[in-house]
Amino acid sequence: NAGVMQNPRHLVRRRGQEARLRCSPMKGHSHVYWYRQLPEEGLKFMVYLQKENIIDESGMPKERFSAEFPKEGPSILRIQQVVRGDSAAYFCASSIWGIGADTQYFGPGTRLTVL
Amino acid sequence: AQTVTQSQPEMSVQEAETVTLSCTYDTSESDYYLFWYKQPPSRQMILVIRQEAYKQQNATENRFSVNFQKAAKSFSLKISDSQLGDAAMYFCAYRNNAGNMLTFGGGTRLMVKP
Repeated sequence: NAGVMQNPRHLVRRRGQEARLRCSPMKGHSHVYWYRQLPEEGLKFMVYLQKENIIDESGMPKERFSAEFPKEGPSILRIQQVVRGDSAAYFCASSIWGIGADTQYFGPGTRLTVL
Repeated sequence: AQTVTQSQPEMSVQEAETVTLSCTYDTSESDYYLFWYKQPPSRQMILVIRQEAYKQQNATENRFSVNFQKAAKSFSLKISDSQLGDAAMYFCAYRNNAGNMLTFGGGTRLMVKP
C-alpha cells in the first residue's frame, strides 16, 4: 500500500510566481491535511479537506493561499505571487476517518524555495 | 487554544543507553490523542507512538514507550537501547477527539553518540 505521495519534492520559484504543490493520499483515505514547517520549527496546521470540500481552513493565510481536493485527482495547495517568507517545507497528511481514533500519515513534504 | 511545549531543544544519548524526551501540553478537553513523530534528516514525518487520553495504560512500541501523566498534562517519550538510526528531530503532537488538526511542539533534536 503506497504511502502519502507529494510532488514535487523540491520547488524553486522567483518572487511573484505561482507555486502548486500536489498531494495524493493513501489508498482508502478521504481526509487530507496540509501543514507548513518553517526552518527549525514544528509543523503548523494550514487546512483540512475532504473530497470537494474545505472543512477547516483556520490556519491558512487569508491571501494568496488556496487549497482544493477535487473528486478526481490529488489535493492541490496553491500559493500565488510567492514571497520569500513562503519558503518552507509543506507537508500533506491523510487519514481514514478525520475524527476519533484516527492517525494522520504524512507524505515526504515539498520544500519550497523562493528566490 | 491548545499548546504543546517541548522544553528540550537538543538531547544527546550514548548508543545502547536510554533517553527520555519531555512534552507538556495545555488543554481543557478530557478526551484527546497524543502522538510522537520522528523526523530524520530525510524530513519524512514518521509516526512513532500514539496514546489515547482515556487509556490509563502507557503505550509501548518495541523500544519506544511513553509516560502519560494526564493530571500533569505530561507525555514523555522513552527510547531504550538507543540506536544510531534514532538520531532525528522528535515532535510531540496533540489532537482533541472532535478536532482534526494536529498541534505540534517545537521539537527536540536527538543525537546518538557511537
